Amino acid sequence: GQNIDQPTEMTATEGAIVQINCTYQTSGFNGLFWYQQHAGEAPTFLSYNVLDGLEEKGRFSSFLSRSKGYSYLLLKELQMKDSASYLCAVIGNDYKLSFGAGTTVTVRA
Amino acid sequence: IAGITQAPTSQILAAGRRMTLRCTQDMRHNAMYWYRQDLGLGLRLIHYSNTAGTTGKGEVPDGYSVSRANTDDFPLTLASAVPSQTSVYFCASSEVSGGANEQFFGPGTRLTVL
Repeated sequence: GQNIDQPTEMTATEGAIVQINCTYQTSGFNGLFWYQQHAGEAPTFLSYNVLDGLEEKGRFSSFLSRSKGYSYLLLKELQMKDSASYLCAVIGNDYKLSFGAGTTVTVRA
Repeated sequence: IAGITQAPTSQILAAGRRMTLRCTQDMRHNAMYWYRQDLGLGLRLIHYSNTAGTTGKGEVPDGYSVSRANTDDFPLTLASAVPSQTSVYFCASSEVSGGANEQFFGPGTRLTVL
């Protein structure tokens, strides 16, 4: 089975940095995705990591360590519009996405 | 460009009734998926289709069926709805199955079974 853990909630101040951790234990590993989901909306793609290291994309960065079964999503210069749920998802040997329960980030002024 | 559309947006259904949730994509993606999203559990895969004419079972397939007669459409049917099927249902598609292929999600259907 797949086990993907991430914190339930995080709160941060506008302009600050927040790091959302994700740990996984899965049957095989073929990549890790981060999705953003605003309340009442569909998830949208943020990032994909398959090799160890940091992938930077504007204010958002994603890091992967396959040996530790660990990833994080870093959100910099937080804006109010970044208030959303962030979903960590892993592709295992079945080539299907398994999702964590999501981390709800609240950005306060 | 519509991407993925789902219908209905929301539905209240009596237990025991049959219901089909519709999903259509215009991106000519080969792979399509149905997920349910429940509070505290995240998205769980119900059924998937790697290409037109083929389907497969996901993590929580019981009580649901799908068909993939063509590339664009991937309906999900609840043969006899039960209250535990109350959830938000998302349809998704990707160019092909697996790997670095990003999944695109529809807007979701909120289903309540009473």
